Amino acid sequence: EAGVAQSPRYKIIEKRQSVAFWCNPISGHATLYWYQQILGQGPKLLIQFQNNGVVDDSQLPKDRFSAERLKGVDSTLKIQPAKLEDSAVYLCASSPLIARLEQFFGPGTRLTVL
Amino acid sequence: AQSVSQHNHHVILSEAASLELGCNYSYGGTVNLFWYVQYPGQHLQLLLKYFSGDPLVKGIKGFEAEFIKSKFSFNLRKPSVQWSDTAEYFCAVNARNNNDMRFGAGTRLTVKP
Repeated sequence: EAGVAQSPRYKIIEKRQSVAFWCNPISGHATLYWYQQILGQGPKLLIQFQNNGVVDDSQLPKDRFSAERLKGVDSTLKIQPAKLEDSAVYLCASSPLIARLEQFFGPGTRLTVL
Repeated sequence: AQSVSQHNHHVILSEAASLELGCNYSYGGTVNLFWYVQYPGQHLQLLLKYFSGDPLVKGIKGFEAEFIKSKFSFNLRKPSVQWSDTAEYFCAVNARNNNDMRFGAGTRLTVKP
């Protein structure tokens, strides 16, 4: 079974630039999550999709972050404009159903904002 | 919303020593509990999980965890660690009535050969 795929793996940008991350979940997984993991902290949920609908985006900084999951499969997370404090690893995870079951994580995208 | 505390930021052990990593959560309702591990250079993967039933759960690689409801705790244990257990360990809690998974800050385990 193929795992969760993410790209790019690394990204370096300057503040005020825009950046986008892509995630392809495990085939058949209805639920997709985006997390932000700042160095020295645990992952923090940014947004959760069930198919192509948003279940929870209460911790997403909506003034600069946006995410979509067209057709209920792949998802993109965008930051526009980026700030220094956005430097983190952005993790994508998927699960067959709502989080009662195990979440499968991708390798993450390490973002550095200079 | 629920929160998770992991007491130890960095634990250093010698091989064959016993391990116990603390995890406490704050939430008054019913929860699902998880331990995830991240080996160097790899992505997060599930060690074990508790949903209901026997509060002592066994996971992969000889790890186990005990849910003590009265203490709001879900400590991770292993009787004899190996050098290959060197990794970062995250406790996570998901409240049954919402889908919000909360992670602790993680504990870095270093096992000396």
